[in-house]
Amino acid sequence: EVQLLESGGGLVQPGESLRLSCAASGFTFSRYAMSWVRQTPGKGLEWVSAISGSGATTYYADSVKGRFNISRDISKNTIYMQMNSLRAEDTAVYYCAKKGAVAGPGYFDYWGQGTLVTVSS
Amino acid sequence: SYELTQPPSVSVSPGQTAFITCSGDKLGDTYACWYQQKPGQSPVLVIYQDSKRPSGIPERFSGSNSGNTATLTISGTQAMDEADYYCQAWDSRTYVFGTGTKVTVL
Repeated sequence: EVQLLESGGGLVQPGESLRLSCAASGFTFSRYAMSWVRQTPGKGLEWVSAISGSGATTYYADSVKGRFNISRDISKNTIYMQMNSLRAEDTAVYYCAKKGAVAGPGYFDYWGQGTLVTVSS
Repeated sequence: SYELTQPPSVSVSPGQTAFITCSGDKLGDTYACWYQQKPGQSPVLVIYQDSKRPSGIPERFSGSNSGNTATLTISGTQAMDEADYYCQAWDSRTYVFGTGTKVTVL
């Protein structure tokens, strides 16, 4: 059974940093790209960042480029999101999501339960 | 940046068919997928690669994609289908979600 378990959310002040983690199990972790997707309370979904199975390639939404950094530790079956220079508009529930196919179209077949990040003074 | 537009809301009577559209420039040239999200829950994939259903998703969910519009169809809508629905596309690097549609079963 595929499981994705996020952690690391919390309340921080504007300009501060936070690191999210997502522990994965139930599939061959190194074969699948992973993403972070966020959702502002009461609003829609926004893709934030993706990392390839090997970790060699990363992609970011323009809204976080230069501030957020995605990484993965294959030995720990975990991905991370280092979030720096946080802003009020980064307040959201952050989901970890698994790409559905090793190769081919990008869609997410499994999602974690989400972790809430609140940026406020 | 690429945008996917959905109607904010769709209402449907139990047992009837709900159509949820997703519009984007040349969307039919790529694959679209759909997620269902109920209050307080994580999104669930209901359609991928335009029209494929993941294991465990009822047959009443179907999808199509052509031209500038992808459509999610819920046939014989049930009360349990009341939820927010999001379309999503991928350009081999980045992902884009639609604006979301609240489906109300009344």
